[in-house]
Amino acid sequence: KAGVTQTPRYLIKTRGQQVTLSCSPISGHRSVSWYQQTPGQGLQFLFEYFSETQRNKGNFPGRFSGRQFSNSRSEMNVSTLELGDSALYLCASSSGGGANTGELFFGEGSRLTVL
Amino acid sequence: AQKITQTQPGMFVQEKEAVTLDCTYDTSDPSYGLFWYKQPSSGEMIFLIYQGSYDQQNATEGRYSLNFQKARKSANLVISASQLGDSAMYFCAMREIDFGNEKLTFGTGTRLTIIP
Repeated sequence: KAGVTQTPRYLIKTRGQQVTLSCSPISGHRSVSWYQQTPGQGLQFLFEYFSETQRNKGNFPGRFSGRQFSNSRSEMNVSTLELGDSALYLCASSSGGGANTGELFFGEGSRLTVL
Repeated sequence: AQKITQTQPGMFVQEKEAVTLDCTYDTSDPSYGLFWYKQPSSGEMIFLIYQGSYDQQNATEGRYSLNFQKARKSANLVISASQLGDSAMYFCAMREIDFGNEKLTFGTGTRLTIIP
C-alpha cells in the first residue's frame, strides 16, 4: 500500500510569488489535512478536506487556500509569498472516520524557502 | 490552556536503555485519539503508535508502548532498548471532534538524543 506522497519535496521562491503544493493520500483515504511547521510556531493546522469539501480550517490568512479533487488528491496554494511562509508543509491522510480511529499518516513534507 | 503538553524539550539517553517521553492532554470529549510521531531530521512525520480513548489496554507496537493513564490524562511513550536511530524529535498529538469537525493538536515535541 503506497504511503502519502507530497510534491515537490523542496522549493525556493521569492517574495510575492505564489506556490502550489500537492498531496496524494493513501488509497482509500478520503480526508487530507495540511499543517505548517516552523521552528518558532511548531506544528499548526491549516485546513482539512474530506470528499472535496473543506471541513475544517485553522487560523491562517486568506493567502492560504486549498482544494481536493474527486480522487482525494489535494493541493494547497499560497499566494503573495512572505518571508514568514518559509516552513515545512506536511500533509496527513486518514479515512476520516472520526476521532477514535487510528489511521493518520503523514507525507515527507514540502520544504518551502522564501527569499 | 495547552491541549497537549510535553514537558521535556530535550532528553539524552544511553543506548540500550529504556526511555519514557511524557505527554499530558486536556479534553472534555469522551471520544478522542492519542498519537505519537517521530520526526527525524529529514522532516517526515513517522507514525509510531495510537491509543483510542475507549481502548481498555495500553497500545504496543514493537519497541514502543503507550502508558495510557486516562484519569490522569497522561499518554507517555515508552521506548525499550533504545537505539542510535531513535534520535529524533517526538511529538504527541490528540485528535478530537470539535463542533463536528476533526481537530488534531500537537505538543511542542521532545528532542531525544541517544548516546552510544
